[in-house]
Amino acid sequence: NAGVTQTPKFRVLKTGQSMTLLCAQDMNHEYMYWYRQDPGMGLRLIHYSVGEGTTAKGEVPDGYNVSRLKKQNFLLGLESAAPSQTSVYFCASGGSADVTYEQYFGPGTRLTVT
Amino acid sequence: GEDVEQSLFLSVREGDSSVINCTYTDSSSTYLYWYKQEPGAGLQLLTYIFSNMDMKQDQRLTVLLNKKDKHLSLRIADTQTGDSAIYFCAESFTGGGNKLTFGTGTQLKVEL
Repeated sequence: NAGVTQTPKFRVLKTGQSMTLLCAQDMNHEYMYWYRQDPGMGLRLIHYSVGEGTTAKGEVPDGYNVSRLKKQNFLLGLESAAPSQTSVYFCASGGSADVTYEQYFGPGTRLTVT
Repeated sequence: GEDVEQSLFLSVREGDSSVINCTYTDSSSTYLYWYKQEPGAGLQLLTYIFSNMDMKQDQRLTVLLNKKDKHLSLRIADTQTGDSAIYFCAESFTGGGNKLTFGTGTQLKVEL
């Protein structure tokens, strides 16, 4: 079991460029989440999904889009990157037939927008 | 949105007990959690407590929940240098994908 993996680990973008962050989980979890972590602010939920083909907005969704075409993958897109999107991005998954409360986190993607 | 607050720093000596505190504002939370984040890593679930419980003990960890005061604490007994990390409390609510609201995190430093 690899758990939750994220690609890439690091990325530097210029303002206005686009990119996609990939999250994959091999635990057959129903729920998947994207968070961003900024100094002194904890983690804030960007978007989440409660099942394949579904997505929903979290606390800070502006400037991001997501897709969940396959149960095991959750993609986070930035169409036109801004310096305010410089952050560490974490993907998490959770929710299965046995356990619904725990979220498992990936190692993070550090994104810098210049 | 709901606010979850924590103090920023805590420093303890190895072998002492650590107590990390958290206050939250939404009384409808279902579960309350403690996560640990080591440098450069993701978050790892340490323990959780259901909102109708007052206390939960798990080896060196004791969680206390005071629903009246909306106060959650994590006590780490016999704190070791390997416990140095950032600790986040979080709360979740019924319905809608078990979304978590995180506190700002407490940096625990364990000194020899």
